Amino acid sequence: KAGVTQTPRYLIKTRGQQVTLSCSPISGHRSVSWYQQTPGQGLQFLFEYFSETQRNKGNFPGRFSGRQFSNSRSEMNVSTLELGDSALYLCASSMATGGWGYNEQFFGPGTRLTVL
Amino acid sequence: AQSVTQPDIHITVSEGASLELRCNYSYGATPYLFWYVQSPGQGLQLLLKYFSGDTLVQGIKGFEAEFKRSQSSFNLRKPSVHWSDAAEYFCAVGSNNDMRFGAGTRLTVKP
Repeated sequence: KAGVTQTPRYLIKTRGQQVTLSCSPISGHRSVSWYQQTPGQGLQFLFEYFSETQRNKGNFPGRFSGRQFSNSRSEMNVSTLELGDSALYLCASSMATGGWGYNEQFFGPGTRLTVL
Repeated sequence: AQSVTQPDIHITVSEGASLELRCNYSYGATPYLFWYVQSPGQGLQLLLKYFSGDTLVQGIKGFEAEFKRSQSSFNLRKPSVHWSDAAEYFCAVGSNNDMRFGAGTRLTVKP
């Protein structure tokens, strides 16, 4: 079974631009979560989608948004990029049987975003 | 709210030596606990998880962890470290609608 894939793997943008990251979960997984990883803040939860609905949300500004499609693929969008948005963005999928946080998360390799 | 603390930011051990990575959690009920490993340039991979039952949990790559409710701890151990174990290790606690990760412990293995 193929793992979680994320595209693109690397991205360079300038301040003020917007960016869209894509995540394809493991086949059969209906939950997709997004995380931001930085050396200073560690791994921070952005949001979780299940069956095209945002079920859980972290403490990030509205510039960060996401969506999930009927095939469970998910996209994350960041508008008006700031220098502090430079990070590794990780996507994870899970079966999400029962509560989301009870399940093993399967992570993709991440998208490295650099904002200049 | 639940939280996870990994007190050690960086640990260095010699190859062949034993390893213990510490994890303390804060959660009102019985937590779901996880250990993940992240190699450079990769996503996180699950090493092991604890939900209930036997408090000593076996995982992949020769790792094990022990849940101690009285100490709110879930420490990760390995009897003999290999050079390929050099990576960053994350402890996580999950509940119905939340999952929190610790800040991570970076493991360096000396030859």
